[in-house]
Amino acid sequence: EIVLTQSPGTLSLSLGDRATLSCRASQTVSSSLAWYQQVPGHPPRLLFFGAYWRASGTPDRFSGSESATDFTLTISRVEPEDFALYYCQQYGASPITFGQGTRLEI
Amino acid sequence: QVQLQASGPGLVRPSETLSLTCSVSGVSFRNFFWGWIRQTPGQAPEWIGTLYYTGTPTYHPSLRSRVTMSVDTSKNQFSLRMTSVTAADTAVYHCARLATRREGYNFLPSGYFDSWSQGTLVTVS
Repeated sequence: EIVLTQSPGTLSLSLGDRATLSCRASQTVSSSLAWYQQVPGHPPRLLFFGAYWRASGTPDRFSGSESATDFTLTISRVEPEDFALYYCQQYGASPITFGQGTRLEI
Repeated sequence: QVQLQASGPGLVRPSETLSLTCSVSGVSFRNFFWGWIRQTPGQAPEWIGTLYYTGTPTYHPSLRSRVTMSVDTSKNQFSLRMTSVTAADTAVYHCARLATRREGYNFLPSGYFDSWSQGTLVTVS
């Protein structure tokens, strides 16, 4: 199965900083990668699919990109509601797999 | 707007069977694929399986021997059954909708989850 490795495990930033979250796939997934945001006590919320296509409701300060098997989620200027857990998920090959997450904290 | 609600016993004895149900409202149930995912703190979420209202469900290979998913279209519900549970099956279980595209008369899953239920904690003890 395809392993997704997210880094860093925890990202400590201040309001207004730029956040860069990485997700590396052990094999090619083409562009079949999604990003989710999860606030404690809530289910994951879809942010991006197809590596860089914004889901409905995803703010413009969020962007997704890809380079071969490396995927990046960027937040241009972190706002208070952005402090959460972020997961990547590949659906390019079965079984569907998730990364272990990056925690964005103040 | 789609709403999903997962429900079932919060405590299951080791070696027994875990049974959960997901109730769906707000959308045409037959136009989408549906799935189960579980989460354990500090670990990557784990996909359990995916199903449509017809056809054969798809399961994670590591769980295939213990998992059965089924659909009750009359109630807009789908269910998860997992046998021979151990402490390793303790997790928060989510049901979710897969983004689904239409090609002609066929509905096909896109592979990612665009709506999730609030999780339900299942403890095996």
